[in-house]
Amino acid sequence: DADVTQTPRNRITKTGKRIMLECSQTKGHDRMYWYRQDPGLGLRLIYYSFDVKDINKGEISDGYSVSRQAQAKFSLSLESAIPNQTALYFCATSDGPIRGSNEQFFGPGTRLTVL
Amino acid sequence: DQQVKQNSPSLSVQEGRISILNCDYTNSMFDYFLWYKKYPAEGPTFLISISSIKDKNEDGRFTVFLNKSAKHLSLHIVPSQPGDSAVYFCAASGDNTDKLIFGTGTRLQVFP
Repeated sequence: DADVTQTPRNRITKTGKRIMLECSQTKGHDRMYWYRQDPGLGLRLIYYSFDVKDINKGEISDGYSVSRQAQAKFSLSLESAIPNQTALYFCATSDGPIRGSNEQFFGPGTRLTVL
Repeated sequence: DQQVKQNSPSLSVQEGRISILNCDYTNSMFDYFLWYKKYPAEGPTFLISISSIKDKNEDGRFTVFLNKSAKHLSLHIVPSQPGDSAVYFCAASGDNTDKLIFGTGTRLQVFP
């Protein structure tokens, strides 16, 4: 079984709809992250959480919100989806600071299309 | 404003030869650098990292070189294997944060 899972894997929705992307992990990590990948732009950080009570904005948080329901679950919401939020979304987890050789483990991604 | 740049979108190398993937950065506050590999339909996986106090880090067939004065790092894969065919992202972090700034990726194809 995968350590970091994302649901759904693919989603097509319409402009203005509310969408939730879910991430679950069985690695027991405290830190969780949400990224989006766009063609030609690499991955960009949306939100990150160092524990259940700690939520931080990343580079591109506008239009998104998150919820850390438990250590193992971190959800990303698009309150009112717009076409330029069409992208590949990745969740990641880590056990500590990256400088301490704590790599980030990524889920398989969710491909979201907003029409 | 792309702070981490991978100017070669693709690279094709023969099996057994060396693959060299390049990455440039503009922010002098970056002090930790990583390479990730990504296969289709999968998330990125960590490959190798280097701190700014070093200029080289090696792990098996993979070596990362850092040239701080040029704000340039490179990933060398020797010898290249067909299973290395993937998209490679470099990433950087600074200011003692956990935020990673990713490059745009280079698609490596290793052919027999």
